[in-house]
Amino acid sequence: DADVTQTPRNRITKTGKRIMLECSQTKGHDRMYWYRQDPGLGLRLIYYSFDVKDINKGEISDGYSVSRQAQAKFSLSLESAIPNQTALYFCATSEDRDYLLGLFFGEGSRLTVL
Amino acid sequence: GENVEQHPSTLSVQEGDSAVIKCTYSDSASNYFPWYKQELGKRPQLIIDIRSNVGEKKDQRIAVTLNKTAKHFSLHITETQPEDSAVYFCAAPFSGYALNFGKGTSLLVTP
Repeated sequence: DADVTQTPRNRITKTGKRIMLECSQTKGHDRMYWYRQDPGLGLRLIYYSFDVKDINKGEISDGYSVSRQAQAKFSLSLESAIPNQTALYFCATSEDRDYLLGLFFGEGSRLTVL
Repeated sequence: GENVEQHPSTLSVQEGDSAVIKCTYSDSASNYFPWYKQELGKRPQLIIDIRSNVGEKKDQRIAVTLNKTAKHFSLHITETQPEDSAVYFCAAPFSGYALNFGKGTSLLVTP
């Protein structure tokens, strides 16, 4: 089945380290998103991209950067990780239409920054 | 961005009872309102959505209602079952083509 795959699924790192979370999808969708989930805060949008040349900031982009390497790949980077970036990160995709459609989420990447 | 308020944060019902979760949004131009269910340790999954040209949509035991004048929408689950226990998220558009999510409602259905 077509899916959204995130790597790594779990990562423990130290403050100041550079971390990259990768997302690839076989759904053929043009739109890709990175969300962060914290208990009690729901899902917050970090960045989104509607095609390879399009990158947009979300609600909480500070401290993060992204790269859309191909239609199927969208990576999230933390240049210098800090403890309050400890969270569960989700990549998501959606079809390209002139109206909104539902998101398909990956299984999540749990990041712990010590 | 679009501010989405979701209530309650936790909800406990007995099996067979109904559950209602409410969300409000601030942008009157918003036109798409999905609901997601996230089981423990799993990814969020879309369970139902509604567009602004209709007031209600049903799918078996779940339904969503939309009140555009009041800018709120609700998820209704009837005849709840233990497998309905999960965290439910509402969402509304952000900048037209992304979604902002509510903070979630943890629903517990007790046998």
